Amino acid sequence: SQTIHQWPATLVQPVGSPLSLECTVEGTSNPNLYWYRQAAGRGLQLLFYSVGIGQISSEVPQNLSASRPQDRQFILSSKKLLLSDSGFYLCAWSTRLHRVRGYGYTFGSGTRLTVV
Amino acid sequence: DQQVKQNSPSLSVQEGRISILNCDYTNSMFDYFLWYKKYPAEGPTFLISISSIKDKNEDGRFTVFLNKSAKHLSLHIVPSQPGDSAVYFCAASATSGTYKYIFGTGTRLKVLA
Repeated sequence: SQTIHQWPATLVQPVGSPLSLECTVEGTSNPNLYWYRQAAGRGLQLLFYSVGIGQISSEVPQNLSASRPQDRQFILSSKKLLLSDSGFYLCAWSTRLHRVRGYGYTFGSGTRLTVV
Repeated sequence: DQQVKQNSPSLSVQEGRISILNCDYTNSMFDYFLWYKKYPAEGPTFLISISSIKDKNEDGRFTVFLNKSAKHLSLHIVPSQPGDSAVYFCAASATSGTYKYIFGTGTRLKVLA
């Protein structure tokens, strides 16, 4: 079966510090991978998506970047965090087969990031 | 530009009654729609989907209705249970290899015992 791991679960970082959040998927090959953020009182905003190794598309201009060094690994990074980067970050995956079968994304359990 | 809108931020329903959550979209290219349920500090959980070739899809207590002409979909939960209390998101995508979904802002459902 497929599983998705996301860590850490919570993180408190000072302004100006770097960030690295990691997401890995097991049990599937060549998934599409996504990073979403839920800011306080807001919906889920798509930040980045990737359809393959090294292929990253950014949805909104921001202080963050993403990388996909391996097929089932997706990393969200920042060189210098801002207060506005606080939020709940979610990784998700999907495949064409999932779509055909009527499923949507499978989300990870999320990372609560607080920038202080 | 909010392409997917959930205009009701919250909804309260008595246990056993019907909960109706609404969602509107603006992009006529959207052809696949999802509903997710989310508890605090957890990732969203997939509930039900519908493609634009259908106008209704049922799964147990959950039914999604799609009105393409009105660009409107709704999620019906019957009967509502206290465990259904959560935030519900609708999401939409257009057919493409990215399977990229745009999410609404969510509706917080509270089912009262």
